[in-house]
Amino acid sequence: AQSVTQLGSHVSVSEGALVLLRCNYSSSVPPYLFWYVQYPNQGLQLLLKYTTGATLVKGINGFEAEFKKSETSFHLTKPSAHMSDAAEYFCAVSEMGLTGGGNKLTFGTGTQLKVEL
Amino acid sequence: GAGVSQSPRYKVAKRGQDVALRCDPISGHVSLFWYQQALGQGPEFLTYFQNEAQLDKSGLPSDRFFAERPEGSVSTLKIQRTQQEDSAVYLCASSPDRGSYNEQFFGPGTRLTVL
Repeated sequence: AQSVTQLGSHVSVSEGALVLLRCNYSSSVPPYLFWYVQYPNQGLQLLLKYTTGATLVKGINGFEAEFKKSETSFHLTKPSAHMSDAAEYFCAVSEMGLTGGGNKLTFGTGTQLKVEL
Repeated sequence: GAGVSQSPRYKVAKRGQDVALRCDPISGHVSLFWYQQALGQGPEFLTYFQNEAQLDKSGLPSDRFFAERPEGSVSTLKIQRTQQEDSAVYLCASSPDRGSYNEQFFGPGTRLTVL
């Protein structure tokens, strides 16, 4: 069974500071990993994904994440936070090679990012 | 182009009532997923369709939950005899095909409140 752990349900940073949101996963097979962002009263929007190949993945809005197999981690970073980054962020895992059932996602519990002036 | 749409956006039901939640996926998308997001939690998988076939319903919490996608496009999630624990946001997502690497495009969700 696959699972995702997001450390820190709430993270607060100053505008212009580094953003670091942590995600660790557990999967019995090589995983596909995703970060989604959710703004209030909206659906989830994909920030970035790791499938195969380069372990440093760049996404939208200046975010990036690095897949570290040895640490089973996929932490999300952004060098300089902007007020518009305030939202909830979800890490998710999907197992490769599922037969029949499609790529259902297993999500973490989310991290609420607050950006302060 | 149009994204995934869901209706109604908000639904209040009295305990014991039946409700039906609708999802319009992106045109041509093969895969359709339903997720349940309780307050303060991440979304949890309910069920999956590949075209009109329901291939995975392992996440449905009870036999009061039923989903269909009869023509392989619009899907309806029905909850019979609603209970307070059914209160949550129900998210629908669609994907171009069944590949594991494909992005799922999410709708805005239906917030269900059971009184």
